[in-house]
Amino acid sequence: EVQLSESGGGMVQPGGSLRLSCAASGFTFSAYAMNWVRQAPGKGLEWVSVVNHSGVRTYYADSVKGRFTISRDNSKNTLYLQMNSLRAEDTAAYYCAKGSTTDGYNCFDYWGQGTLVTVSS
Amino acid sequence: EIVMTQSPATLSVSPGERATLSCRASQTLSRNLAWYQQKPGQAPRLLIYGASTRATGVPARFSGSGSGTEFTLTISSLQSEDFAVYYCQQYDNWPPYTFGQGTKLEIK
Repeated sequence: EVQLSESGGGMVQPGGSLRLSCAASGFTFSAYAMNWVRQAPGKGLEWVSVVNHSGVRTYYADSVKGRFTISRDNSKNTLYLQMNSLRAEDTAAYYCAKGSTTDGYNCFDYWGQGTLVTVSS
Repeated sequence: EIVMTQSPATLSVSPGERATLSCRASQTLSRNLAWYQQKPGQAPRLLIYGASTRATGVPARFSGSGSGTEFTLTISSLQSEDFAVYYCQQYDNWPPYTFGQGTKLEIK
């Protein structure tokens, strides 16, 4: 059974940093791209970032480019999102989502339960 | 960036009836289109990928169709557990992957 479990969310002041983690199990983690998708309170889904299966290629939404960094540790079956220079508009539930392929052309076939990030003074 | 537009924003349907949800892309897609279901307080769940292929464990009453810029999710006979928000997503031209704004399916 595929399981994805996010952690690391919480409340942070504007300009601060957080690091999210996503522990994966039930599939060959190193064989699939992994994504972060967020959802602001009461709003729709917004893709944030993707990393390919090996960790070599990464892509970001314009809204987070230069502030967020996605990475993975295939030896630990764990996905990360380092979030710096946080803004109020980054407040959202952040979901870890498994990609359906090794690289691009992904839909998101499994999702974690999400971790809430609140940016407020 | 491909913009995905879903209609209607809210759809009211009685249990047992058919629901038809629409999704329009701002550019032609080569069938790299997915549908997700999200219930309150839960993560999204993949229903359909490749425009028309049901994901593992998805009941046969869910079907996807369409091509080009126009796509449809049909639920043939609504069950109580189907009332939720539905999102379409394109993964044909990326980054970014883009979602529609969602259609809320509510009980009439």
